[in-house]
Order: sequence, then C-alpha cells, then structure tokens
Amino acid sequence: QKEVEQNSGPLSVPEGAIASLNCTYSDRGSQSFFWYRQYSGKSPELIMSIYSNGDKEDGRFTAQLNKASQYVSLLIRDSQPSDSATYLCAVIMFNAGGTSYGKLTFGQGTILTVHP
Amino acid sequence: ETGVTQTPRHLVMGMTNKKSLKCEQHLGHNAMYWYKQSAKKPLELMFVYNFKEQTENNSVPSRFSPECPNSSHLFLHLHTLQPEDSALYLCASSLLAGLEETQYFGPGTRLLVL
Repeated sequence: QKEVEQNSGPLSVPEGAIASLNCTYSDRGSQSFFWYRQYSGKSPELIMSIYSNGDKEDGRFTAQLNKASQYVSLLIRDSQPSDSATYLCAVIMFNAGGTSYGKLTFGQGTILTVHP
Repeated sequence: ETGVTQTPRHLVMGMTNKKSLKCEQHLGHNAMYWYKQSAKKPLELMFVYNFKEQTENNSVPSRFSPECPNSSHLFLHLHTLQPEDSALYLCASSLLAGLEETQYFGPGTRLLVL
C-alpha cells in the first residue's frame, strides 16, 4: 500500500472553475500535511500547510483535512491557466521512535491542466 | 543570493566517475535535506541533517555519501553510480527538522549517468 496516494490525473478543468485535488495517507499518526506545486522542470514550492482537522483558506486555495478518514484535499477556486502544474501532497509521519525528524513523504502528484 | 541554491544545475557522469553536488541555503535554517526525483516515481527523501547531524538515512546505497560541514552547506558525493541513479536531485532546508516546519527547495541538479 502506498503511504501517500494521489490520483495522477491529468485533471483538466476550464478556466474559472474549481479544481479539486485529493490525497489519502496510510499512517493514522500523521500530524502535518503540505501541498506543493511543481511546474515542469522546476522545483516544488509550498502552497499550503495544514495541521488540524477542518478547512484552511489562503486566497484562491483551500486545504481540507479529515484525520479520521485519513484524507486531505486542495481546492483551487477561479482556476487560471497559470495554475497548470503538478500538485504534490506531502505528509510528515512519525518514525518508529515517535519522532519525525522532518521526514516528508510525498505522493506521486496530480497533473492539473487549466484550459482557457 | 537568496533562498536555496544548488550547483551544478546539470551533470553528466560516467559510472566510474566521482562527482559532488553542492547545496547552500541563505535562510538561516538549521535542517537540510537531500531528495531524489525520478520519472514516474514520487519525490523520495534520501538524507536529513539537523544542526549538522545526520538524523535520517532512508536506506540510501553507499555510493551516495552526504556531508554537512555546517548548517548552511550540504554536499552529496557520488561515486560508481548506476544509470538508474539518473534523476533530479533536490536539496531543501527548514528552520528545524520538526513536525510543522516548511521545507524550501532548491532548483535541483539534473543528473545523467551514462
């Protein structure tokens, strides 16, 4: 079983629509969740972080976390062609010693295409 | 220079060569990381350094040898690599190696092993 799972896509949405990206994780003890955006040929850049259940909004982006369902999502409102990229879900899980040491585990990423 | 820088940006090496990748962060962070990104595979953590001490080795083959002389610099020494080691190698840093610390990535070194 993959530790962090994302639908690889591609997900195609029209400009102005809401893009919904989903991620599930296997470790119930996971505490910290991140969404990164990666343009082709570039390095990942952080969009959102979320640590507690519920919604967190930042501009056009909303992250949603449901620890009971082991599910985290990212909504992008009013999608723009410049949002076209790969979106990476990343989770910090506890290691066997009960500490994380910053060990980010990434999903495979979802390719998002926003067409005019 | 600002943020996280990596050199070289591109590297081609033979299987018998020895080369080193360099990472430098200008963010005042104390934790640094090496990641490997291969085609069709998730971004994979290789090593974690926190205050110059290695705290994580994610079962990386010994042909990859990290070095962290201080909190601002991180190296990855490469020797007798295999063609399957061709990938994008990303360096990242964070204030601490903790639960809620955001990791900031450098631009990466694209490595091709012939």
